[in-house]
Amino acid sequence: DTAVSQTPKYLVTQMGNDKSIKCEQNLGHDTMYWYKQDSKKFLKIMFSYNNKELIINETVPNRFSPKSPDKAHLNLHINSLELGDSAVYFCASSPSTSTDTQYFGPGTRLTVL
Amino acid sequence: GDSVTQMEGPVTLSEEAFLTINCTYTATGYPSLFWYVQYPGEGLQLLLKATKADDKGSNKGFEATYRKETTSFHLEKGSVQVSDSAVYFCALIEPYNNNDMRFGAGTRLTVKP
Repeated sequence: DTAVSQTPKYLVTQMGNDKSIKCEQNLGHDTMYWYKQDSKKFLKIMFSYNNKELIINETVPNRFSPKSPDKAHLNLHINSLELGDSAVYFCASSPSTSTDTQYFGPGTRLTVL
Repeated sequence: GDSVTQMEGPVTLSEEAFLTINCTYTATGYPSLFWYVQYPGEGLQLLLKATKADDKGSNKGFEATYRKETTSFHLEKGSVQVSDSAVYFCALIEPYNNNDMRFGAGTRLTVKP
């Protein structure tokens, strides 16, 4: 069984479009995250949610909006996509904010043309 | 702020060679330290971790010791295999700090037969 899953795995789209990436975890964790990995493999946290509430929001354009319908899901919606948004986006989860190990999804490779 | 610095790659070794990937950190408190591995086309997997000074994390022949005095967490393996080819990330997290995990830039390891 997949612990942290993301859909789609690959996403190719035109500049200016709006797209969403979905993330689900079946680990019963309270906290979920979105990371962006650029072409040089550098990983940077974007958002963190605990029990559906936003707790970390790094300097990310407001075109990016996370949505957590329940604590097992954290979706990432991106408006008006730009070329610089091309990256691999990883979802992760951890048991709680006071517990450290994070478990990562397989990633979504977004290409903006 | 908290940060992680790891040796720049890429690193290319022959099979059965000894591996060291250096990692040093800066933190205000007493972080937990991690090594994650990313195999080609896959997401990040936790390789090992250590949560306090002098702890040694180990897994799949890899080891790293939490050295508070040198603020280091170097990754070592005595005899690498072709299947170890991947990108390795050093990371830290300060518990009770909203699980804000900081990653190093990643080191690409290629092992040749």
